[in-house]
Amino acid sequence: GESVGLHLPTLSVQEGDNSIINCAYSNSASDYFIWYKQESGKGPQFIIDIRSNMDKRQGQRVTVLLNKTVKHLSLQIAATQPGDSAVYFCAENTGFGNEKLTFGTGTRLTIIP
Amino acid sequence: DVKVTQSSRYLVKRTGEKVFLECVQDMDHENMFWYRQDPGLGLRLIYFSYDVKMKEKGDIPEGYSVSREKKERFSLILESASTNQTSMYLCASRRAGGLPYEQYFGPGTRLTVT
Repeated sequence: GESVGLHLPTLSVQEGDNSIINCAYSNSASDYFIWYKQESGKGPQFIIDIRSNMDKRQGQRVTVLLNKTVKHLSLQIAATQPGDSAVYFCAENTGFGNEKLTFGTGTRLTIIP
Repeated sequence: DVKVTQSSRYLVKRTGEKVFLECVQDMDHENMFWYRQDPGLGLRLIYFSYDVKMKEKGDIPEGYSVSREKKERFSLILESASTNQTSMYLCASRRAGGLPYEQYFGPGTRLTVT
């Protein structure tokens, strides 16, 4: 059955500071990992992805780190801005033919002005 | 830009009602998905469709069905709504063979069943 009333992990960061959001994934056979950002009232939007043959990938103000040994993924956001306030999800690619994604539970990031 | 639209942003239904949630995408994508989103549980896949008239169960299909009669439209049906189906429902689409991150989401429908 499903659980109800679970709380979303939260992280509060001062504007201009760096933030790190963590995610543990479940399937050691996953070969593709993705971070999504979901702002209030919107659907998730793609931020950055990383393949399993890499351990680091950088984008604009964001860096994703992958540690396959402990099945851990992190998203680093540099010089945070108020617009970074959102819920962040990791997702892993499992299933036949890459159609399916399995999502983490999400972390709510709040940027304090 | 890819556009995925959902028929309603907010919906309130009574227990036992039949509920239709509609999703339309304008990029000729073959794959479409329905998720539900609950706090602390993330996004969970209900059903997905590889192409017109094709459907596959996701992780939590119980209590739901789907219809894909046209390529651009994917409908989620709650045959007899129950209070535990109160949730945010998200639709997504992706072209066949696209990379995993190329899954585009609609804005969501917040359904409340009373």
